[in-house]
Order: sequence, then structure tokens, then C-alpha cells
Amino acid sequence: DTAVSQTPKYLVTQMGNDKSIKCEQNLGHDTMYWYKQDSKKFLKIMFSYNNKELIINETVPNRFSPKSPDKAHLNLHINSLELGDSAVYFCASSQVAGVGSEQYFGPGTRLTVT
Amino acid sequence: RKEVEQDPGPFNVPEGATVAFNCTYSNSASQSFFWYRQDCRKEPKLLMSVYSSGNEDGRFTAQLNRASQYISLLIRDSKLSDSATYLCVVNRNDYKLSFGAGTTVTVRA
Repeated sequence: DTAVSQTPKYLVTQMGNDKSIKCEQNLGHDTMYWYKQDSKKFLKIMFSYNNKELIINETVPNRFSPKSPDKAHLNLHINSLELGDSAVYFCASSQVAGVGSEQYFGPGTRLTVT
Repeated sequence: RKEVEQDPGPFNVPEGATVAFNCTYSNSASQSFFWYRQDCRKEPKLLMSVYSSGNEDGRFTAQLNRASQYISLLIRDSKLSDSATYLCVVNRNDYKLSFGAGTTVTVRA
């Protein structure tokens, strides 16, 4: 059983397009996250939702918009894609938000913008 | 200064060797510490949490030094399967985890 799943796994698209990445977790966790891992391998938090409420919104261009229809899903929509958006995007979840809570990661979506 | 800094390596070690590396963190208010493991082109996975008293899980030992603001990971009797990037992760008293860029370990036969 897949705990945290993301679709698509690979996404190749042209500059200026709009795309979405979907994430689902079947762990019953309350909190979900989106991370970006760039070519230098740094994992940076972008957003976090706890029970469908936005709790983390890092300095991310407003072309990126998360949406959580329910606590098992957190989708990421990106408008007007730019070359610099090329990266691996990881979704993650944790049982609760806060100190000490282990995060479970999805397999990642490798986005390439040409 | 980055919140979490790691020696990127790579650490190339023969099977059976011991390898150890550190990670420093800048925020003295940090409360939780972890080591995650990331294999090439895969997602990060929790290796172990790091407790104030230090902890051991099989061949892996983690230590925390709050005074000097670093954590360490030691791998004994290295196996080929230990080859990976090890991410140091620090949690302040909020919801965010801060990740280091990782230390690459390659174990050779």
C-alpha cells in the first residue's frame, strides 16, 4: 500500500504553461507539506496544511497555489511556469503538526520546464 | 548563515569501515533533530531521531551536542547498502523542518 502518493511522477512542459501536481496520503495524518528540492539538493518547505488549514506559507512566488480539498489530499498548482521552477517536488505528511513529528515523503514529481 | 550545514562529502569508505560526520545548526531554540536518508532519485526517509542522551539503532549511533549546536551520525561496519545521502534535519518550536543539503556516503566493496 502506498502511504504518500504523487502524480505525475515526471512532468515536462514549456515555459508559460500551467500545471498541477496531486498528492494523496492514506496514513490518516493531519498535516501535509510541499517541498522543493533543487539541483543543489536542498529541500525547502513551501507550504503546509493542517486539517485543510494553511499553516506554513514560505516565501514562494504567488504563481504557486496549494489546495487541500480534504486532509488526505494536498495539490499544488503552478501558473506561468518558468525555467527556474525545474526541480523535484516532494509531498509529505505527518501525524500532527509540530515538534518531533516524523514526516513521510511521497516519491517526488520531477518537473522539467523547457 | 544557513540554518543547517553539513559537509557534503563524499565519504568513500570500504565495506566494514566506520564513518562519522557532523551537522551544525544555527538556531539555539531548535528542539527536535533527525537524520533522514535519501537514496539517489528517491524520497527522503527517516533514519533515526536524535535524542539529548544520544541513541543507537543497530549500527547507527546519533549524538546531540546542544552546547556546540551540532549533531553527529556514526555508521559502524558499513554495508554497501548504506551508500546514500544522509540529511540532517532540525525542527524549531514551530511546524517547519529545516534540512541540510546532505552528506553523501559511498561504501565500496
